[in-house]
Amino acid sequence: KQEVTQIPAALSVPEGENLVLNCSFTDSAIYNLQWFRQDPGKGLTSLLLIQSSQREQTSGRLNASLDKSSGRSTLYIAASQPGDSATYLCAVEGRANTGFQKLVFGTGTRLLVSP
Amino acid sequence: GEEVAQTPKHLVRGEGQKAKLYCAPIKGHSYVFWYQQVLKNEFKFLISFQNENVFDETGMPKERFSAKCLPNSPCSLEIQATKLEDSAVYFCASSQFGQGNQPQHFGDGTRLSIL
Repeated sequence: KQEVTQIPAALSVPEGENLVLNCSFTDSAIYNLQWFRQDPGKGLTSLLLIQSSQREQTSGRLNASLDKSSGRSTLYIAASQPGDSATYLCAVEGRANTGFQKLVFGTGTRLLVSP
Repeated sequence: GEEVAQTPKHLVRGEGQKAKLYCAPIKGHSYVFWYQQVLKNEFKFLISFQNENVFDETGMPKERFSAKCLPNSPCSLEIQATKLEDSAVYFCASSQFGQGNQPQHFGDGTRLSIL
């Protein structure tokens, strides 16, 4: 059974710092890994999706890497801003014969960026 | 529409009553997913659909939970004889294709409170 863990559970940094969020998963037979952002009272916003054949994806100040063999992914946020404050979740999509599976989520990292 | 629309935003029911939640996926998306967020970040997969067909229902407590996606209607998740432990935020997501390179787009959720 796939298990996804995120470290740290919470992180507080001053504005401008670069930071790294970690995600690990137990079963390397994944189809993709996704990073989401959740603001209070809101749904999930997809940030980056890394297919199993890829090693990283970038979008603006965000960079996500994937090391499938070791079961790890990192989300790097450059020059953090107060607007980045949110909960960040990683989720893996498992393989299936039909190529489509449910997401298994980590428990999230709650990020607070102070002005 | 361009967003996954979930209604109502908040639903309050007495224990034992029925609860029905609705989800309109993004136009053109063929896949719909339901997730339950019980504690702050604990997401649990419930069920998925490919058009109006159930694809994966391994997460559904079948005794009281049921779901449908009918043509030209919002998808629905219904809980009969609700229990206190059903209190959670229920998220719906949709994706265009059932392949690993398509992110799931989430609605803002329905907060279900069982009193």
